[in-house]
Amino acid sequence: EAAVTQSPRNKVAVTGGKVTLSCNQTNNHNNMYWYRQDTGHGLRLIHYSYGAGSTEKGDIPDGYKASRPSQENFSLILELATPSQTSVYFCASGVSLGKNTLYFGAGTRLSVL
Amino acid sequence: QQKVQQSPESLIVPEGGMASLNCTSSDRNVDYFWWYRQHSGKSPKMLMSIFSNGEKEEGRFTVHLNKASLHTSLHIRDSQPSDSALYLCAARGSALGRLHFGAGTQLIVIP
Repeated sequence: EAAVTQSPRNKVAVTGGKVTLSCNQTNNHNNMYWYRQDTGHGLRLIHYSYGAGSTEKGDIPDGYKASRPSQENFSLILELATPSQTSVYFCASGVSLGKNTLYFGAGTRLSVL
Repeated sequence: QQKVQQSPESLIVPEGGMASLNCTSSDRNVDYFWWYRQHSGKSPKMLMSIFSNGEKEEGRFTVHLNKASLHTSLHIRDSQPSDSALYLCAARGSALGRLHFGAGTQLIVIP
C-alpha cells in the first residue's frame, strides 16, 4: 500500500514561533497536498505541489508556506505560528490523472499556545 | 461557502440497518466524486469513487451519481459497528489533481 509518513506526530508550539511539518512519500506520486482538519470544516487545502520545485496555493494559504525540494518530500512551514493554526494537519500524495485517489499520512496534531 | 455540501451532519442507525449519506457540489466543473472514510483518530482512506452516471456497488456499499444535479449518495446496507466513522465526500473540478472535501457525515452504528 502507498506510504506517506508525517513528522512530527504531535507538536506544541508557542505563538510567534516557527513550525515546520514534514512529509515523505515513497509512492513516486507527482502530486502532494497539505490539508488541515477542523471540526465542522472537513479537510481544507492549504498548499499543494505538482512535482519537485513547484508549490501552489490552496484554499486557505494565508500564514503558511510550502516547500517541495524533491519528489519524495513536501514541507509545510508556519513562520509565525498563531493559536488559530491549532489543528490536525494531513499530508497526502496522489497521481495527477485518472482516479487520483489520495493517500494520507497519519496526521500531525499541532497546538499553538 | 463550501463547494461540497454533505448531509446529514450526523446519522445514527441500528446494527443491520441501512445508512444513506448525501453529497452535492456547487461547482459545475466537477467531474469526479470520491467517498473517504475516517475512523476516529485515524487518517482518511478512500472507500469508493464514481465518475459516471448511475450506480456502483462494492459489497455492502453502493454509490449513486447524478451528474446533472452534481449529487452523489452513499448507501451502506447491513451496517456494522465497525462502519462507525466520519464519511467525507470529495469532488474534483477541472483543475488538475485538486479535490474539495465536504465537512463530512458522522455515522454511528448502534449494536
